[in-house]
Amino acid sequence: GAGVSQSPSNKVTEKGKDVELRCDPISGHTALYWYRQSLGQGLEFLIYFQGNSAPDKSGLPSDRFSAERTGGSVSTLTIQRTQQEDSAVYLCASSLAHTSSYEQYFGPGTRLTVT
Amino acid sequence: AQKVTQAQTEISVVEKEDVTLDCVYETRDTTYYLFWYKQPPSGELVFLIRRNSFDEQNEISGRYSWNFQKSTSSFNFTITASQVVDSAVYFCALSEVRTGANNLFFGTGTRLTVIP
Repeated sequence: GAGVSQSPSNKVTEKGKDVELRCDPISGHTALYWYRQSLGQGLEFLIYFQGNSAPDKSGLPSDRFSAERTGGSVSTLTIQRTQQEDSAVYLCASSLAHTSSYEQYFGPGTRLTVT
Repeated sequence: AQKVTQAQTEISVVEKEDVTLDCVYETRDTTYYLFWYKQPPSGELVFLIRRNSFDEQNEISGRYSWNFQKSTSSFNFTITASQVVDSAVYFCALSEVRTGANNLFFGTGTRLTVIP
Protein backbone atom coordinates (compact mmCIF):
# COMPACT_ATOMS: atom_id res chain seq x y z
CA GLY A 1 0.00 0.00 0.00
CA ALA A 2 0.92 3.66 -0.18
CA GLY A 3 3.45 4.94 2.32
CA VAL A 4 3.72 8.30 4.00
CA SER A 5 3.90 11.08 1.46
CA GLN A 6 5.11 14.63 1.91
CA SER A 7 4.94 17.71 -0.23
CA PRO A 8 6.70 19.60 -1.52
CA SER A 9 9.87 17.54 -1.71
CA ASN A 10 11.93 20.70 -1.87
CA LYS A 11 11.11 24.25 -0.88
CA VAL A 12 13.28 27.30 -1.22
CA THR A 13 11.98 30.43 0.44
CA GLU A 14 13.20 33.85 1.35
CA LYS A 15 13.85 34.78 4.93
CA GLY A 16 10.72 36.22 6.52
CA LYS A 17 8.23 34.36 4.35
CA ASP A 18 5.76 31.76 5.66
CA VAL A 19 5.84 28.16 4.47
CA GLU A 20 3.47 25.22 4.73
CA LEU A 21 4.63 21.63 4.64
CA ARG A 22 2.17 18.84 4.07
CA CYS A 23 2.09 15.24 5.25
CA ASP A 24 -0.24 12.45 4.15
CA PRO A 25 0.05 9.53 6.56
CA ILE A 26 -0.56 5.90 5.82
CA SER A 27 -4.28 5.23 5.65
CA GLY A 28 -5.64 4.05 8.99
CA HIS A 29 -2.72 5.37 11.03
CA THR A 30 -4.07 7.44 13.88
CA ALA A 31 -0.75 8.79 15.12
CA LEU A 32 1.32 11.28 13.15
CA TYR A 33 4.70 12.77 13.99
CA TRP A 34 6.87 15.60 12.74
CA TYR A 35 10.64 15.55 13.05
CA ARG A 36 13.36 17.84 11.81
CA GLN A 37 16.75 16.74 10.56
CA SER A 38 19.49 19.34 10.37
CA LEU A 39 23.26 19.21 10.34
CA GLY A 40 23.63 20.93 13.65
CA GLN A 41 20.82 19.26 15.60
CA GLY A 42 20.51 15.81 14.10
CA LEU A 43 17.03 14.28 14.15
CA GLU A 44 14.75 16.04 16.61
CA PHE A 45 11.14 15.48 17.51
CA LEU A 46 8.80 18.41 16.92
CA ILE A 47 5.20 17.38 17.58
CA TYR A 48 2.82 14.46 17.43
CA PHE A 49 -0.88 14.03 16.80
CA GLN A 50 -3.20 11.38 18.10
CA GLY A 51 -6.19 11.81 15.86
CA ASN A 52 -6.57 15.55 15.42
CA SER A 53 -5.24 16.36 18.84
CA ALA A 54 -1.68 17.49 19.59
CA PRO A 55 -1.24 17.06 23.36
CA ASP A 56 2.45 17.87 23.39
CA LYS A 57 3.79 20.89 21.55
CA SER A 58 6.92 21.27 23.64
CA GLY A 59 9.17 20.08 20.84
CA LEU A 60 8.32 22.97 18.56
CA PRO A 61 11.42 25.21 18.44
CA SER A 62 9.58 28.51 18.65
CA ASP A 63 6.12 30.06 18.43
CA ARG A 64 6.72 30.60 14.72
CA PHE A 65 6.07 26.88 14.30
CA SER A 66 2.57 25.45 14.35
CA ALA A 67 0.90 22.31 13.09
CA GLU A 68 -2.57 21.06 12.56
CA ARG A 69 -4.25 17.89 11.48
CA THR A 70 -7.70 17.63 10.05
CA GLY A 71 -9.99 14.65 9.62
CA GLY A 72 -7.49 12.46 11.39
CA SER A 73 -5.45 12.35 8.23
CA VAL A 74 -3.49 15.11 6.51
CA SER A 75 -1.25 17.32 8.61
CA THR A 76 0.27 20.68 7.85
CA LEU A 77 3.35 22.11 9.52
CA THR A 78 3.51 25.89 9.19
CA ILE A 79 6.56 28.01 9.78
CA GLN A 80 5.96 31.73 9.95
CA ARG A 81 8.59 34.39 9.26
CA THR A 82 11.16 31.79 8.31
CA GLN A 83 14.73 32.20 9.46
CA GLN A 84 17.90 30.70 8.00
CA GLU A 85 18.22 28.36 10.98
CA ASP A 86 14.92 26.79 9.93
CA SER A 87 16.70 25.25 6.94
CA ALA A 88 16.47 21.49 7.41
CA VAL A 89 14.73 18.38 6.20
CA TYR A 90 11.31 18.05 7.78
CA LEU A 91 10.22 14.45 8.21
CA CYS A 92 6.77 13.16 8.86
CA ALA A 93 5.99 9.71 10.26
CA SER A 94 2.85 7.81 11.09
CA SER A 95 2.00 4.77 13.15
CA LEU A 96 -1.12 2.73 13.86
CA ALA A 97 -1.44 4.28 17.30
CA HIS A 98 0.50 6.49 19.64
CA THR A 99 2.17 3.76 21.63
CA SER A 100 5.64 2.35 21.47
CA SER A 101 4.19 -0.98 20.41
CA TYR A 102 3.97 0.30 16.88
CA GLU A 103 6.82 1.36 14.70
CA GLN A 104 6.77 4.66 12.91
CA TYR A 105 6.91 4.78 9.13
CA PHE A 106 8.64 7.81 7.70
CA GLY A 107 7.98 9.85 4.61
CA PRO A 108 10.69 11.06 2.23
CA GLY A 109 10.86 14.48 3.85
CA THR A 110 10.65 18.07 2.69
CA ARG A 111 13.97 19.84 2.28
CA LEU A 112 13.49 23.46 3.29
CA THR A 113 16.08 26.03 2.36
CA VAL A 114 15.72 29.57 3.67
CA THR A 115 17.81 32.10 1.78
CA ALA B 1 21.21 15.17 28.46
CA GLN B 2 21.69 13.05 25.39
CA LYS B 3 19.40 10.06 25.64
CA VAL B 4 20.99 8.09 22.82
CA THR B 5 24.69 8.12 21.99
CA GLN B 6 26.20 6.77 18.84
CA ALA B 7 29.88 7.41 19.33
CA GLN B 8 30.91 6.26 15.87
CA THR B 9 30.31 9.10 13.46
CA GLU B 10 31.63 7.32 10.38
CA ILE B 11 32.76 3.79 9.66
CA SER B 12 34.26 2.38 6.48
CA VAL B 13 34.61 -1.32 5.83
CA VAL B 14 35.51 -3.41 2.84
CA GLU B 15 32.75 -5.50 1.35
CA LYS B 16 32.18 -8.85 3.10
CA GLU B 17 33.63 -7.62 6.37
CA ASP B 18 31.49 -7.69 9.50
CA VAL B 19 30.76 -4.39 11.19
CA THR B 20 29.18 -3.44 14.52
CA LEU B 21 27.44 -0.14 15.13
CA ASP B 22 27.32 0.92 18.75
CA CYS B 23 24.39 2.48 20.57
CA VAL B 24 24.28 3.50 24.23
CA TYR B 25 21.12 4.91 25.74
CA GLU B 26 20.09 6.65 28.91
CA THR B 27 16.68 6.52 30.56
CA ARG B 28 15.11 6.42 34.01
CA ASP B 29 12.16 4.43 32.74
CA THR B 30 11.87 0.73 33.39
CA THR B 31 9.75 0.29 30.30
CA TYR B 32 11.09 1.62 27.05
CA TYR B 33 11.67 0.68 23.45
CA LEU B 34 14.77 0.80 21.32
CA PHE B 35 14.86 1.07 17.56
CA TRP B 36 17.25 1.03 14.67
CA TYR B 37 16.51 2.90 11.47
CA LYS B 38 18.46 2.99 8.21
CA GLN B 39 18.68 6.12 6.08
CA PRO B 40 20.04 5.32 2.62
CA PRO B 41 21.24 8.04 0.25
CA SER B 42 17.66 8.45 -0.96
CA GLY B 43 16.90 9.98 2.44
CA GLU B 44 13.90 7.99 3.62
CA LEU B 45 14.21 6.45 7.07
CA VAL B 46 13.63 2.71 6.98
CA PHE B 47 12.58 0.84 10.11
CA LEU B 48 14.82 -2.12 10.95
CA ILE B 49 13.94 -3.33 14.43
CA ARG B 50 12.08 -2.52 17.64
CA ARG B 51 13.02 -4.03 20.97
CA ASN B 52 11.24 -3.54 24.32
CA SER B 53 13.13 -3.27 27.58
CA PHE B 54 11.86 -6.59 28.91
CA ASP B 55 13.17 -8.62 26.04
CA GLU B 56 16.93 -9.01 26.14
CA GLN B 57 17.09 -11.83 23.68
CA ASN B 58 19.40 -11.16 20.81
CA GLU B 59 17.77 -11.10 17.43
CA ILE B 60 19.02 -12.16 14.06
CA SER B 61 17.45 -11.28 10.74
CA GLY B 62 19.46 -12.47 7.78
CA ARG B 63 22.79 -10.66 7.87
CA TYR B 64 21.58 -8.33 10.62
CA SER B 65 21.80 -9.04 14.32
CA TRP B 66 21.18 -6.99 17.43
CA ASN B 67 22.70 -7.33 20.88
CA PHE B 68 20.67 -5.73 23.69
CA GLN B 69 22.35 -5.53 27.08
CA LYS B 70 20.50 -3.67 29.84
CA SER B 71 23.48 -3.98 32.18
CA THR B 72 25.50 -1.69 29.93
CA SER B 73 22.53 0.22 28.43
CA SER B 74 23.60 -0.79 24.97
CA PHE B 75 21.79 -1.92 21.85
CA ASN B 76 24.42 -2.71 19.26
CA PHE B 77 23.80 -3.62 15.64
CA THR B 78 25.98 -5.99 13.65
CA ILE B 79 25.98 -6.47 9.90
CA THR B 80 27.62 -9.68 8.79
CA ALA B 81 29.28 -9.97 5.40
CA SER B 82 28.58 -6.34 4.56
CA GLN B 83 27.47 -5.34 1.09
CA VAL B 84 27.67 -2.08 -0.82
CA VAL B 85 23.89 -1.70 -0.45
CA ASP B 86 24.38 -1.49 3.30
CA SER B 87 26.00 1.92 2.84
CA ALA B 88 23.76 4.36 4.69
CA VAL B 89 23.39 6.33 7.88
CA TYR B 90 22.08 4.21 10.71
CA PHE B 91 20.16 5.72 13.61
CA CYS B 92 19.48 4.23 16.99
CA ALA B 93 16.44 5.62 18.81
CA LEU B 94 14.71 5.40 22.17
CA SER B 95 11.05 5.70 23.10
CA GLU B 96 10.05 6.11 26.73
CA VAL B 97 6.70 4.72 27.81
CA ARG B 98 6.41 6.59 31.12
CA THR B 99 5.18 9.76 29.51
CA GLY B 100 2.76 7.80 27.38
CA ALA B 101 4.60 9.12 24.41
CA ASN B 102 5.93 7.31 21.42
CA ASN B 103 8.23 10.13 20.48
CA LEU B 104 11.56 8.91 19.27
CA PHE B 105 14.81 10.28 20.63
CA PHE B 106 17.43 9.65 17.99
CA GLY B 107 21.17 9.31 18.25
CA THR B 108 23.30 11.37 15.92
CA GLY B 109 23.71 8.47 13.52
CA THR B 110 26.60 6.45 12.18
CA ARG B 111 27.48 6.77 8.51
CA LEU B 112 28.52 3.38 7.17
CA THR B 113 30.41 3.16 3.91
CA VAL B 114 30.99 -0.26 2.42
CA ILE B 115 33.80 -0.22 -0.09
CA PRO B 116 33.54 -2.71 -2.95
